[in-house]
Amino acid sequence: DGGITQSPKYLFRKEGQNVTLSCEQNLNHDAMYWYRQDPGQGLRLIYYSQIVNDFQKGDIAEGYSVSREKKESFPLTVTSAQKNPTAFYLCASSMRNEQFFGPGTRLTVL
Amino acid sequence: DAKTTQPNSMESNEEEPVHLPCNHSTISGTDYIHWYRQLPSQGPEYVIHGLTSNVNNRMASLAIAEDRKSSTLILHRATLRDAAVYYCILRDTGAGGTSYGKLTFGQGTILTVHP
Repeated sequence: DGGITQSPKYLFRKEGQNVTLSCEQNLNHDAMYWYRQDPGQGLRLIYYSQIVNDFQKGDIAEGYSVSREKKESFPLTVTSAQKNPTAFYLCASSMRNEQFFGPGTRLTVL
Repeated sequence: DAKTTQPNSMESNEEEPVHLPCNHSTISGTDYIHWYRQLPSQGPEYVIHGLTSNVNNRMASLAIAEDRKSSTLILHRATLRDAAVYYCILRDTGAGGTSYGKLTFGQGTILTVHP
C-alpha cells in the first residue's frame, strides 16, 4: 500500500541525547514536511523540503535538523539544543493540493 | 500567512448535518481554503479545499462566501466517526502557483458527535 510510515510510534530518550525520527514515503511525492504538535494545540511546522538535497526552516526549527538525501526519506533529528522536545511529531508529504500525514511518533524525553 | 478563526468546539447529534464555520477576513487572492481533520492520536486527514466556488466531495461540502472572508464546512450526516478536530487553513500557492504551499494550523474546532 502507498503511504507514509513513521517509526517508532513511541520513543523515550534521556535528556541531553540526540534522537532521530524516521519518515519514509512511497507516494513519489516531491515535498515533505515535519510538524510538531503539543497537547491541545495545532501543528507547527519544523522543516520542509520541496526537492531532494534541499530543505528550508519552518516556524520552529531551532534545536532540530533534517536531511533529504533520497526522495523517499526525510529524517528529523531532535538535538539536545531543543529545550522542550517532548511532543507528538508528524511527517507529511504532498504533490499538489493535498498533504498526506504519517501516523506520528510520540517522543518523551525523561 | 493569513489567519483563520474557528469556534473552539461544536456538538452535533448523529445523522444530523453539521456546519463548521471559519472566518478568514485577511484572505488574499492566491489563498486556497483547506480543511483537514484529526482524530485522536492520529495524523491529520485532508477533507476538502476550494478557491472561490463551492465544492463537494464524498466526505463533505465547502461553502465559500462571495467575498471569500468566510467559509463553512458541511458534513451532511454526522456519524460517530466524524468526531475529530477540524482545521480550517489558508494555503498560499504563491505568485507562481506553486504546488508546495505550506500549511499553518490553528487550534481548530473540536467536533463532538452524540449518538
